This record gives sequence, structure tokens and C-alpha cells, in this order.
Amino acid sequence: GEDVEQSLFLSVREGDSSVINCTYTDSSSTYLYWYKQEPGAGLQLLTYIFSNMDMKQDQRLTVLLNKKDKHLSLRIADTQTGDSAIYFCAETSRTGGGADGLTFGKGTHLIIQP
Amino acid sequence: NAGVTQTPKFRVLKTGQSMTLLCAQDMNHEYMYWYRQDPGMGLRLIHYSVGEGTTAKGEVPDGYNVSRLKKQNFLLGLESAAPSQTSVYFCASSYGWGYTFGSGTRLTVV
Repeated sequence: GEDVEQSLFLSVREGDSSVINCTYTDSSSTYLYWYKQEPGAGLQLLTYIFSNMDMKQDQRLTVLLNKKDKHLSLRIADTQTGDSAIYFCAETSRTGGGADGLTFGKGTHLIIQP
Repeated sequence: NAGVTQTPKFRVLKTGQSMTLLCAQDMNHEYMYWYRQDPGMGLRLIHYSVGEGTTAKGEVPDGYNVSRLKKQNFLLGLESAAPSQTSVYFCASSYGWGYTFGSGTRLTVV
């Protein structure tokens, strides 16, 4: 089946940029997502990208997609203490009539050092 | 506000007890999903539904049953709870590319 891989931990200094990486195996992935989960909370959709795009920027967030290498990254500029959370990469190969759920990575814990 | 509502938010069960988790959405979404989240494992799909009256197995369906009698509700049942089912359960609904998640149910089986 489909697989999504992420490193488990990333430590960065406050004010630096954070780059969280994700690789996936499903070549038919259509939509790719980044979710944020703070301790004890639910999932917050941060951003998404369609497979026909290479890059998407939204304020401090930049998503890069390398479809050839099946590699997705999330860059957070000027990392702040409020960015401390678990970040999940997820994908679906949903087409118009499909019902595929999301396949998630195991999540990357972003740790902010003062 | 429109969204996905899960009840209860917390529950402690004894081994062998049964319970039902309720997921309700008011967005008229066709597709609904149940996931479980365990530390270091991400979210894994238990069961899903593509419409009223339909259900299908996901990645980790054993020990769970589901029903979708009404379009807006998706129920997850545990007939005989086991400690291995201690987890946080998330419901989601979707239409097109967008997925909306509930706030989760934290279940402990002792």
C-alpha cells in the first residue's frame, strides 16, 4: 500500500527557518497536505498542494513538491515558539469519484530552542 | 459553526465492555472516516463510508464495527474493548479535496 515517511524530530532555533521533509510512494497521489497538531488538540490543516503544482506560498509557509522524487517539504520562515507542534504530511489519490481517505506520515515533532 | 462533532470527548472502559463513538457532520459531505492515532504511529484509517448505508474497511479494522444509517452520522463501535484499543480516535468527513476533522475522542481501556 501507499507509504508516507517523515523524520520524527526537528529542532530549530527561534527566528530560524524550519524545513520539514516528507517522501511518499504513491505515484498517483493527487493532493498532498500538511497538518499541524498541538499537544492534546485535533488536526489543523495548514496548507495543501495539488500534484500539478511545484510550489505554494502562504505567508510564512512555503510548500515545495518534487513529483519526480516524490518529495514534499514544508518551510516555516521565522520560526516562533507557537510553531512548536507535530506536523503531519498526508496524501490522497482521490479523483472525482474516489473515496480514498488520507494516508498520513508518522509526524515530525518540531522543537523550538530559545 | 459547521463542522464535525465527536462524542464523547473522553471515556474510560474496562476490558470487555462495549461502547459507541458518535461522529456527526452538518456539511452534507458524502464521505466519512474513522482514524485512530497512537504515539509515533500517525493516524491510521479504521473504516470509512462513501455514502449513507455503505461502509468499508480501512487499514486497521479488526475489533471495530461501523454504521452509517444517516448521511450526517457515522458510528464507531467496540463490541469487546481491549487495552490495545486505547487510543485517540478522530472522525473526518470530506467532499472533493477538503477534509474536515473532529476534535477527537480519547479512549482508555483498562
